[in-house]
Amino acid sequence: KAGVTQTPRYLIKTRGQQVTLSCSPISGHRSVSWYQQTPGQGLQFLFEYFSETQRNKGNFPGRFSGRQFSNSRSEMNVSTLELGDSALYLCASSLVPPETQYFGPGTRLLVL
Amino acid sequence: SQQGEEDPQALSIQEGENATMNCSYKTSINNLQWYRQNSGRGLVHLILIRSNEREKHSGRLRVTLDTSKKSSSLLITASRAADTASYFCATAISGGYQKVTFGTGTKLQVIP
Repeated sequence: KAGVTQTPRYLIKTRGQQVTLSCSPISGHRSVSWYQQTPGQGLQFLFEYFSETQRNKGNFPGRFSGRQFSNSRSEMNVSTLELGDSALYLCASSLVPPETQYFGPGTRLLVL
Repeated sequence: SQQGEEDPQALSIQEGENATMNCSYKTSINNLQWYRQNSGRGLVHLILIRSNEREKHSGRLRVTLDTSKKSSSLLITASRAADTASYFCATAISGGYQKVTFGTGTKLQVIP
């Protein structure tokens, strides 16, 4: 089975712009979670989607949003980018929550 | 805030030695998972231990869980240079959700 894929892998944006990141889970996995990783804050949970419904949300401002499609693919969007949004964004999928998560390689976002 | 706190934050050992990392958490959990991350890449799942289990083995890995102390430990025996990575514990709460909270991580360096 193919692993979790994330696109793009690297992204450079400027403050005020918006960005959309994409995640394709392992085939058959219906749960997709997103995490933000920064040196200062570590791994922070953003949100989890299951069957197109957001079931959990972390402590992030409303500028961070996401969605899941009927094929379980997920996107997350960050609007009005700030310098502090520079991070590695990781997507993970699982078959049956809260079981083992399989992570993608991440999207490294740099906000200038 | 982080649910899990790993200890130590950094560990440097010689190849062939054993490495032990500890994780403490705050609330009741469904399971506890250990992940490895190589140099800012995606996380790789190592082992999952359920709240009703006390010990689990996988190859050179041994994980223990003490729910009364809200703590877990990861032992890597006969370490190799390839084990150099950051190790994270992640706790999943009950409820059928994928609400996993990661600890701060332990940076392990194995010197050849």
